[in-house]
Amino acid sequence: AQKVTQAQTEISVVEKEDVTLDCVYETRDTTYYLFWYKQPPSGELVFLIRRNSFDEQNEISGRYSWNFQKSTSSFNFTITASQVVDSAVYFCATSRPRDDKIIFGKGTRLHILP
Amino acid sequence: ETGVTQSPTHLIKTRGQQVTLRCSSQSGHNTVSWYQQALGQGPQFIFQYYREEENGRGNFPPRFSGLQFPNYSSELNVNALELDDSALYLCASSFFLGDYGYTFGSGTRLTVV
Repeated sequence: AQKVTQAQTEISVVEKEDVTLDCVYETRDTTYYLFWYKQPPSGELVFLIRRNSFDEQNEISGRYSWNFQKSTSSFNFTITASQVVDSAVYFCATSRPRDDKIIFGKGTRLHILP
Repeated sequence: ETGVTQSPTHLIKTRGQQVTLRCSSQSGHNTVSWYQQALGQGPQFIFQYYREEENGRGNFPPRFSGLQFPNYSSELNVNALELDDSALYLCASSFFLGDYGYTFGSGTRLTVV
């Protein structure tokens, strides 16, 4: 069965600090997808990234970067030079190709303090 | 693009009642999924509709049912409400089946008292 564990329930950092959100996943599939979503106080889930299991290249998008390591079943998310607007709940998730659902972790609530 | 619109935004119901939540999918999207997000938890998949047919279902009892209309908008119906049904209900649409570029709505906050 698929499972996503986000061990950090809540993190607080001061603005401009770097912060890493951890994600560990479990799956028996050789092909799968991994995701990160952001949920601001307004409630909607904002898609940040999707990675395929066969693509372990790290990705950088502006202040965001993702580190995918199959050896440790981890897909960690780093925000560089954090800003107050980054305050939100962040969800790591996984899915299988042609499956109909996304399996979410419990989320990490991130507070960026001014 | 107008995004995904859900209504109502908030709702309070009494245990045992029935509720209907509505979702207008993003223009051009033919697949709609519903998720339940309890407080402090991640979203859990309820079911998905593709071209007006249920395409998959999560671990939810039959009193959770849905519809998708020809314009691809959707409804989630919950009968015999229980206190544990209190949650944020999220609707997500995508261009096609298997497309994970979901656009999520802001959800309906349901409180059962």
